[in-house]
Amino acid sequence: QLLESGGGLVQPGGSLRLSCATSGFTFSSFAMTWVRQAPGKGLEWVSTFSGRGGRTYYADSVKGRFTISRDNSKDTVFLQMDSLRAEDTAVYYCARYTTITPTNQRTSLDFWGQGTLVTVSS
Amino acid sequence: QSVLTQPPSASGTPGQRVTISCSGSSSNIGSNTVHWYQQLPQTAPKVLIYSSNQRPSGVPDRFSGSKSGTSASLAISGLQSEDEADYYCSAWDDSLNGQVFGTGTKVTVL
Repeated sequence: QLLESGGGLVQPGGSLRLSCATSGFTFSSFAMTWVRQAPGKGLEWVSTFSGRGGRTYYADSVKGRFTISRDNSKDTVFLQMDSLRAEDTAVYYCARYTTITPTNQRTSLDFWGQGTLVTVSS
Repeated sequence: QSVLTQPPSASGTPGQRVTISCSGSSSNIGSNTVHWYQQLPQTAPKVLIYSSNQRPSGVPDRFSGSKSGTSASLAISGLQSEDEADYYCSAWDDSLNGQVFGTGTKVTVL
């Protein structure tokens, strides 16, 4: 299971920290990712953290503003979002890759959280 | 913005076959496998296809995927009312060093 929290209303330029608590699997063995969906729009990949303290990856739209991290002792992945903009308004989903790295040719996103809404507005 | 291009909509009557295309480039579909996701209204996406043509356990065999060059497609045979949803393709992009998603296709069952 994946359970996101931390969403809410924030002013432009503000910060939020999203959390995704997981259970039921060996957390450190899987890459974890954040995907967002603006209201009425499609899916947009945001960031990924490989398993076992591996690499991090960011979409150009959030690079330098968002930071992904994971605590393998608490089976939780985080997304620190700074310098938020109106265009960051979206439902943010946490999801699990089926493999330790997102570049594995047999991977996919097999478990998703329910999503948490982030609204950036004054 | 989406790197993978899909038709915005597709439709069919119950029992028909519907095909959704996904066009990419050499850095994504041309180099890596494709996943397909189904998103029902107000719910999180669900994986239908991985490794371009493999179905996870529990996904009906009415859903099938294929890939050729820099394009991929998802076919739904024996269309059912519960298949009415949004569908997204996705692949890793070696140039962007990230996951990319398609623009999404809304399937309507007439």
